[in-house]
Amino acid sequence: DAKTTQPNSMESNEEEPVHLPCNHSTISGTDYIHWYRQLPSQGPEYVIHGLTSNVNNRMASLAIAEDRKSSTLILHRATLRDAAVYYCILRVGNQFYFGTGTSLTVIP
Amino acid sequence: EPEVTQTPSHQVTQMGQEVILRCVPISNHLYFYWYRQILGQKVEFLVSFYNNEISEKSEIFDDQFSVERPDGSNFTLKIRSTKLEDSAMYFCASTIRLGGSEEYFGPGTRLTVT
Repeated sequence: DAKTTQPNSMESNEEEPVHLPCNHSTISGTDYIHWYRQLPSQGPEYVIHGLTSNVNNRMASLAIAEDRKSSTLILHRATLRDAAVYYCILRVGNQFYFGTGTSLTVIP
Repeated sequence: EPEVTQTPSHQVTQMGQEVILRCVPISNHLYFYWYRQILGQKVEFLVSFYNNEISEKSEIFDDQFSVERPDGSNFTLKIRSTKLEDSAMYFCASTIRLGGSEEYFGPGTRLTVT
């Protein structure tokens, strides 16, 4: 049973903002929301994480819905190097539950 | 920047053989993990390890699997008798604390069972 649901793929034009959605309707109060990305033949790379409040870092922003049942990863200006599979993950206790991810294509 | 390293990058083995996959987590991290990713599928949790013992494991992590931290730096995953369906990328990860902290993943070991 999937704990997170994401679109299989999305496209963005270079230099445009990208909003990657994720649904996690079964989330409980202590579960953290993490986003990682994976380039071909590489391990997952940390992007951002949060619990209740919106978060910003140098890579991205994370917008968390008030009821926490969904979240959106925001890349402010997509570059070609941002093309990857983006995973929305719930951390439940000491386990990461990966979803199937969104494959982001960036169009030059 | 500190990183998690894994060896070998690719391991080919025959069905029924034992394999040991090795990882060197980041030195001040306390929690260690193994994940696997079958080609074209999502990343799946196998096991977490803290304070020299398994803290959680998934149903994938059956009696054929074991983990060990034999010294202060290495973290190993052993598969006792490999099956064809064990072919996958295996990722090691580590983190300094639970909950709201980043997990650092290694580059992975590709295991091919023939």
